[in-house]
Amino acid sequence: EAQVTQNPRYLITVTGKKLTVTCSQNMNHEYMSWYRQDPGLGLRQIYYSMNVEVTDKGDVPEGYKVSRKEKRNFPLILESPSPNQTSLYFCASRGTASNYGYTFGSGTRLTVV
Amino acid sequence: QKEVEQNSGPLSVPEGAIASLNCTYSDRVSQSFFWYRQYSGKSPELIMSIYSNGDKEDGRFTAQLNKASQYVSLLIRDSQPSDSATYLCAVNHNQGGKLIFGQGTELSVKP
Repeated sequence: EAQVTQNPRYLITVTGKKLTVTCSQNMNHEYMSWYRQDPGLGLRQIYYSMNVEVTDKGDVPEGYKVSRKEKRNFPLILESPSPNQTSLYFCASRGTASNYGYTFGSGTRLTVV
Repeated sequence: QKEVEQNSGPLSVPEGAIASLNCTYSDRVSQSFFWYRQYSGKSPELIMSIYSNGDKEDGRFTAQLNKASQYVSLLIRDSQPSDSATYLCAVNHNQGGKLIFGQGTELSVKP
């Protein structure tokens, strides 16, 4: 089944403790992206990647890191999480053509206390 | 000015009616436009894409694009209670990986 898989689905952590949210896709997509979704603010793009070793900032990259060492994986790293990073995070991927929309993973609900 | 704007709603329509959802965007060079549906607690699901002026139909859904007016809309014919969800408009303006979302319109279809 074609899908984007994120792990974990739920995560509660403490301020300052480094964490990684994994994302993997099995559709051989070139583009991958991370979004966060907050009430009243909607979906905001954190980072995206056009291919292996090629990444760019979205609208809210502060406090996040990403890497794209393999085509199928695009982990999101929070090196020193803070409470304002409590959010619902989505990973997404799409093919090369610009008229392809992103396919989203199931989401990761992160709480930083 | 937000890059992608939608009325937040809620928009309430009776079952069987046409639901009309609207979206405007600010970047005139935007290339591709998408409508996503998001049920509460679920991830966004792509339902329509459009990149040429005019109408594009897929089943009960019709997307309309007017680049001169920087306006894109989604019509849902014969609305069903199962269509009750938040509808997100998204705009890709540089053919790259950046995809900007509006805040979504909540649709409620009453039986």
